[in-house]
Amino acid sequence: SQQGEEDPQALSIQEGENATMNCSYKTSINNLQWYRQNSGRGLVHLILIRSNEREKHSGRLRVTLDTSKKSSSLLITASRAADTASYFCATDAGGSYIPTFGRGTSLIVHP
Amino acid sequence: DTAVSQTPKYLVTQMGNDKSIKCEQNLGHDTMYWYKQDSKKFLKIMFSYNNKELIINETVPNRFSPKSPDKAHLNLHINSLELGDSAVYFCATGHPNYGYTFGSGTRLTVV
Repeated sequence: SQQGEEDPQALSIQEGENATMNCSYKTSINNLQWYRQNSGRGLVHLILIRSNEREKHSGRLRVTLDTSKKSSSLLITASRAADTASYFCATDAGGSYIPTFGRGTSLIVHP
Repeated sequence: DTAVSQTPKYLVTQMGNDKSIKCEQNLGHDTMYWYKQDSKKFLKIMFSYNNKELIINETVPNRFSPKSPDKAHLNLHINSLELGDSAVYFCATGHPNYGYTFGSGTRLTVV
């Protein structure tokens, strides 16, 4: 069954603006991961946040995790046209070691 | 040297045919996965193999048969292809504590 749900489904912004995507999940997790998929390519791992962490940074990426609300957010600061892609969250559904993905957020950054 | 390589990248075939997709990883992980991504970008787990043994088979028709000759390879054979099998198929490997690496995908079109 589908574990994660990203929101919004689509996001269109101008270069330089920040982009925020959200992910909600249903069952307890060990960690949550975010991935990027460029058109016609495979998924690329961006960042992993463990269930005992609340925030994590990597370059222009900031991920938060709220286990009480079963939700996570991915913030991309100072977006660039090259950030145009689909972004997915993945969880392991209570330690199943099977990464389960949502439908993704399609981000378009206009130059 | 590609970490997860899939072949072929594109596959166009007629209904009723049998085809195979190959996947090889050089990252040394024990677990490999096959995912199906539909036209709405939903990624659905199909199979998970751990060290050549099938761990999960998520309600996939038995026309799909994975084969793992060793832990670095996980091939997908599909019998009697149907129109609904058209999708992008991704191979992946990794570890839940560190993230997953995906192949670039095989776009299967059944005509």
